[in-house]
This record gives sequence, structure tokens and C-alpha cells, in this order.
Amino acid sequence: DADVTQTPRNRITKTGKRIMLECSQTKGHDRMYWYRQDPGLGLRLIYYSFDVKDINKGEISDGYSVSRQAQAKFSLSLESAIPNQTALYFCATSDPLGETQYFGPGTRLLVL
Amino acid sequence: LAKTTQPVSMDSYEGQEVNITCSHNNIATNDYITWYQQFPSQGPRFIIQGYKTKVTNEVASLFIPADRKSSTLSLPRVSLSDTAVYYCLNAHYGGSQGNLIFGKGTKLSVKP
Repeated sequence: DADVTQTPRNRITKTGKRIMLECSQTKGHDRMYWYRQDPGLGLRLIYYSFDVKDINKGEISDGYSVSRQAQAKFSLSLESAIPNQTALYFCATSDPLGETQYFGPGTRLLVL
Repeated sequence: LAKTTQPVSMDSYEGQEVNITCSHNNIATNDYITWYQQFPSQGPRFIIQGYKTKVTNEVASLFIPADRKSSTLSLPRVSLSDTAVYYCLNAHYGGSQGNLIFGKGTKLSVKP
């Protein structure tokens, strides 16, 4: 079984809709992250969390919110989706001793 | 966090050794040099990390000169399956900052 899972893997939604992307991990890590990747570009950080009570904005947090329901779960929400949020979204985890991050398989989101 | 500079793309043929060089002139004393590999539609995968001199694992070697302002990822005898984007990052253990800076990476194309 994969250490980091994301659901859904693919999602098509319409402008203005609220959607949630979910991430679960079985690595026992405290740190979790959400990134987005646009075609031909690197990954950009949206939000990160160092533990259940610690949530921090990343480089591009506008238009997004997150919830850390438990150590193993970190959800990303788009309150009112817009077309330029069409992208590939990755969840990742890491432990506090190193900056090696473990990524999920990604969620491909299309906003019409 | 120090930013890195690496070539946008490289081409190679099966069986050749590939060396990808990364510049990180502003690397901090406590930063490590880390390389990730990303296949299309998948999350990045950690491949190697080092602080100075040379590190080797089953996948690659990492060469770091004494001044640590650059590093070279070496992939021995590449195959078609090594076609991917390779990212060079600087990161430090236990950092209070959440993000790793993924640039655009180097797109390696291996041809038969």
C-alpha cells in the first residue's frame, strides 16, 4: 500500500463550486504539505502543517484553505473554484529530522 | 532558502553516463543538497542527498566541491526509464520553514 494517498485522483468541477482534496499518510510523519504544479513548471507550495495545531501559508495560499484533521490527514479546499486553479495537486509528508519529502500520486483538477 | 540554477533540458542515449550540474551560490552552511526525480503525472521522488564531497547510492552519485556552490548529479548508464525531470534543491534538517523550493528542474530525455 502507498504511504501517501490522495483522493480523488482526477476531478472536473465548475467555476464557483467548492471542492475538497484529501490526503492521508501512513508514515507517521508530523509534517504535511500541499503543492500545485502547472504544466512545464516546478512545484509551488500552497500550505504546510508541522503538526495538528500548526498550519502555515505557503507561497500561493490565496483561494485555498486547509484542514489538518489528524496527524495522518490533511485536506485542501477550494472555496470557490476558478479556471486558473486547474493544475496537478500534490500532497507530501516529511519527518522533522530531515527535509526528504514523500509525495502522493497527485490529483489532477480541471475547473471549467 | 537558497535558490538553485540548473539546465532546462538535456538529451542522452541509452547506456551513457549523464551528469546534471546545479548551481547554488547562496547555499547556507546548514543546507544539504538534495535531488528529486519526477516522472510525468507522478509526484517527485527523493533520489540522493549530500553535504560535501561525494555520495553514492544504488541510483546515482552526487559530487559536491569544497565550496559547495555547485553540485553534480551523475546517473550511470542511463536507460529509457530514466527519462524524467530532475530537481536540485537546498534544504536544511529540522528547518522551521516549510517549503522546499522546486524550480523548473532539468528535463532529461533518454533516447534509444
